[in-house]
Amino acid sequence: DTGVSQNPRHKITKRGQNVTFRCDPISEHNRLYWYRQTLGQGPEFLTYFQNEAQLEKSRLLSDRFSAERPKGSFSTLEIQRTEQGDSAMYLCASSISYGRDGYTFGSGTRLTVV
Amino acid sequence: DQQVKQNSPSLSVQEGRISILNCDYTNSMFDYFLWYKKYPAEGPTFLISISSIKDKNEDGRFTVFLNKSAKHLSLHIVPSQPGDSAVYFCAASPRGSQGNLIFGKGTKLSVKP
Repeated sequence: DTGVSQNPRHKITKRGQNVTFRCDPISEHNRLYWYRQTLGQGPEFLTYFQNEAQLEKSRLLSDRFSAERPKGSFSTLEIQRTEQGDSAMYLCASSISYGRDGYTFGSGTRLTVV
Repeated sequence: DQQVKQNSPSLSVQEGRISILNCDYTNSMFDYFLWYKKYPAEGPTFLISISSIKDKNEDGRFTVFLNKSAKHLSLHIVPSQPGDSAVYFCAASPRGSQGNLIFGKGTKLSVKP
């Protein structure tokens, strides 16, 4: 078990382009979370999945953002028509149950929009 | 409007001494609190947690104290080691939430040899 894997580690894109990030959770974890972290801030919740069902979305997740978790395995987070304000670290985490004992986070994907 | 506040951006401590990291919260609906540690270029790592029905939880060198009346919690690290140098995030879980956490801005701890 190699933990939570996120790809790519870094992404530089031009404003207006679409980007997609991938998260592979720990295999037996049925819950998967996406967070965003900007400079000087703590992680901010974006959305979470229980198996393949997306059960909660933050107001931060505008209509340019979409997340999927087909078959309850890996997850993708897509940002359409990127803006400079989307530049951040995107963190994925997974947990086996309610998650209250603490998730396992991946190392994140750092997005820079130029 | 920050619901979880870590008012000290940084803390420097001598190796072997106690590190005390503080966190304040404003929402009485939080019923579970967690501390995460983050090294550069890595994701946050879960450290220790506490339920709102308790006032103390201990795990090795790490102890978390919760003062519900003051809406304050603290993380004590004794003794501090250079490897503890990292950013520490306080996080809170609202009652009835599905596991989403609200994080503070973090405190950067430096433990000097």
